Amino acid sequence: NAGVMQNPRHLVRRRGQEARLRCSPMKGHSHVYWYRQLPEEGLKFMVYLQKENIIDESGMPKERFSAEFPKEGPSILRIQQVVRGDSAAYFCASSPNGVRETEAFFGQGTRLTVV
Amino acid sequence: AQRVTQPEKLLSVFKGAPVELKCNYSYSGSPELFWYVQYSRQRLQLLLRHISRESIKGFTADLNKGETSFHLKKPFAQEEDSAMYYCALLSGAGSYQLTFGKGTKLSVIP
Repeated sequence: NAGVMQNPRHLVRRRGQEARLRCSPMKGHSHVYWYRQLPEEGLKFMVYLQKENIIDESGMPKERFSAEFPKEGPSILRIQQVVRGDSAAYFCASSPNGVRETEAFFGQGTRLTVV
Repeated sequence: AQRVTQPEKLLSVFKGAPVELKCNYSYSGSPELFWYVQYSRQRLQLLLRHISRESIKGFTADLNKGETSFHLKKPFAQEEDSAMYYCALLSGAGSYQLTFGKGTKLSVIP
């Protein structure tokens, strides 16, 4: 099992462009969580998804950010019209059940730089 | 709202010396506490959780509800312990959102 795979590892976007971050959970995991880490900060929860459902998006900025976890394929975190403040490391984690019952496994993250 | 505080951004100790990484939390209910570790160029991984009361790689952590602390300790530091350590909290029944501290970088000097 290759673990949680995130790609790309590094992404550079100009202001106003779109950023798409991908997360392939571990095999057999149907729960996906996205976290954002701003420079010098801890990881902050963004969104929790199960297959085809957004369970909790309370940590997502209200505008420009969206997430999906389709029946087939990876989970996608999409940031439209990026701004400099979106520069951060974005981490995805997956678990077979909710994180309370089981350990959530993290990916290596995508480092987004907006220039 | 819950919060996790790790007061030390960087902690340097000599090999063989005791290590204590501090973590304090604020939460009114009964939290579940975790320590995560990130070695250089590797992904974040769970080190230990308070409910399992295990010792992993020589590390232990005791939840002190009176002092709202969950400090990570190891009696004798090894060079391979050098890493970034994050304390995290899971709040309340049915919760799945981890609240992380800002992390402490541990550097073990040979």
